[in-house]
Amino acid sequence: EDQVTQSPEALRLQEGESSSLNCSYTVSGLRGLFWYRQDPGKGPEFLFTLYSAGEEKEKERLKATLTKKESFLHITAPKPEDSATYLCAVQAVEYGNKLVFGAGTILRVKS
Amino acid sequence: DVKVTQSSRYLVKRTGEKVFLECVQDMDHENMFWYRQDPGLGLRLIYFSYDVKMKEKGDIPEGYSVSREKKERFSLILESASTNQTSMYLCASSTPKSGANVLTFGAGSRLTVL
Repeated sequence: EDQVTQSPEALRLQEGESSSLNCSYTVSGLRGLFWYRQDPGKGPEFLFTLYSAGEEKEKERLKATLTKKESFLHITAPKPEDSATYLCAVQAVEYGNKLVFGAGTILRVKS
Repeated sequence: DVKVTQSSRYLVKRTGEKVFLECVQDMDHENMFWYRQDPGLGLRLIYFSYDVKMKEKGDIPEGYSVSREKKERFSLILESASTNQTSMYLCASSTPKSGANVLTFGAGSRLTVL
């Protein structure tokens, strides 16, 4: 069973069309949930860390939220430059200090 | 402004060859990691190191080894490359001062084993 599942696998949006990406996890003892952005041909780039249910973080058009079993990355009025693969990862007690990554959501924003 | 440098962006090797992937970071980070990234599988941790000459196995260490002789350099070694090691390899570093899992990644090394 996958510990971290991201959905959808791919998402196409028109510029300005807001939406959300989902990251659900089955680990217990969550220590942190991380969001990264990966542009084609590059390594992932850190966006946010969330530590407890109810926590929210924002950066430009992105807002990450966390519940007890999932996290959402909300994208408000996206622009073509928001196109990327978005990865989430969890750090949990049973995995020590290591991150377990989801497979990612590929986001394409068309103008 | 490059902070984590992976020496080779693209490599093509033959089955059985020994492969070295080099990674250097200039941020004086204590922690360094090697991941592989495959479509649909996400990033999987191969090995990591929290200090010079220290190494720990990640989730998929079989067929790989690592070396960390200097703080800034972390090398991944495939002793005898196999076709199932064709993948994108990502090196990352971090420091406990900023959060041990706030990783800075290199651009990746895409390895093809024929």
